[in-house]
Order: sequence, then structure tokens, then C-alpha cells
Amino acid sequence: AQKITQTQPGMFVQEKEAVTLDCTYDTSDPSYGLFWYKQPSSGEMIFLIYQGSYDQQNATEGRYSLNFQKARKSANLVISASQLGDSAMYFCAMRGHMNYGGSQGNLIFGKGTKLSVKP
Amino acid sequence: DTAVSQTPKYLVTQMGNDKSIKCEQNLGHDTMYWYKQDSKKFLKIMFSYNNKELIINETVPNRFSPKSPDKAHLNLHINSLELGDSAVYFCASSQDRPRGYRYEQYFGPGTRLTVT
Repeated sequence: AQKITQTQPGMFVQEKEAVTLDCTYDTSDPSYGLFWYKQPSSGEMIFLIYQGSYDQQNATEGRYSLNFQKARKSANLVISASQLGDSAMYFCAMRGHMNYGGSQGNLIFGKGTKLSVKP
Repeated sequence: DTAVSQTPKYLVTQMGNDKSIKCEQNLGHDTMYWYKQDSKKFLKIMFSYNNKELIINETVPNRFSPKSPDKAHLNLHINSLELGDSAVYFCASSQDRPRGYRYEQYFGPGTRLTVT
């Protein structure tokens, strides 16, 4: 079965500093995708970044980058130059290949990390 | 141009009532989903519809029934509401053709259901 583990329930970071949010995963699928979503206090789910299991390079999207270590089954999110608006819940999620291993394409989420940015 | 919309945003109702949550996406996506987020913020899949066919039902009580009149809509109907149904329900959609895992899911704003 697929599983996502986020071991940091909450984290603090000083404004303008970088922060790493941890995510480890477990799957038997040879092909899968890893996603990070942000949920601010307003409640919406915002897609941040994606990493494919066969991608050779780590994904980057602006201030977000994904530190993908396939052998260790980790997909940590790095936020550079933190801003006050980055304060939110962050969810790591995984999606298996459609109709392979029963995953059926839905996202499996971790429990989330609450990030608080201090001024 | 809202990509995935849900109505209502808030729903307060009493135990035993029947209620529906509507979801529409204008992205032309193939697959739509319903997720439940509990009070601890944990998100879990409930249903998935691909081209109007149910392809997942993750041990959800049969009081919950998804209805998809067409590819752009996936409504959630809940019978005999219980206190434990209080949660935030998210609709989502994704493109799944060509077949693969790489497509992100776009989420609606969520519906906060409170059962009293």
C-alpha cells in the first residue's frame, strides 16, 4: 500500500530564511508522482510542485524546490527566502499510475506540516 | 474564471437530515474526486469518477452517494447525516489522458459541513 509520512507537525522559520519540510513515502509502484500542496488558513488547496519518479532532475518552481532522493524514498520541499505569506499547512502527496496496483489515480496525503514564518 | 467550484461553502444542518454538495469544473478534465478533510486536517479520498463512471469507493458508508450527471459535474449526496460527518469536503479534478500519474489535481474551495 502507498503511504506518505510527514514527521514534522509544526515548524517555525525566520522570515527570509530557507526551510525544509520533510516527506518520506512508500510504494511498490515503479512509476509514481509526488506533489506538494499548500493550504493557507483560508482553506483552499494550492498546488506547488511536482516530481515524477523517473525525472532526472529535482523539480523547481520559483522559491520552491523539491529535494528528491529516490533511494531513500524522500521528497522534501525546500522553500527559499521565506515570506510571511508562506505561513500555512503543507501537504506532501503521492499518486500512482492510473489503474496500476489499485491506486486508481487518487492522491495519498501525508498528515501535513504547519509552517509558521516569524517576522 | 473559477476552475473548480463548489456550493455551498458552508453547510450547517441537523443530524438525520439529507444534504447535497455540488461541484463543477470547467477545465475539461477527465476525472473528478471527492476528498474529506477531518478536524485534524487529514485528507482522504472518498470517491473518484472517470468519464461518469465510479472508479473508487474507499470504504465510505453507503449514506454517501456521488452523482455525476456529466463529465463536468460531480455532486455528493449524504443521507441521514451524523455528527461524525462534520468535516471539510473538497472536490478536485485532474486530466488523466494520456494515462499517467503526472497530472496535478485542482481543488475546489471546500465545503465546511457542520452537523449539530
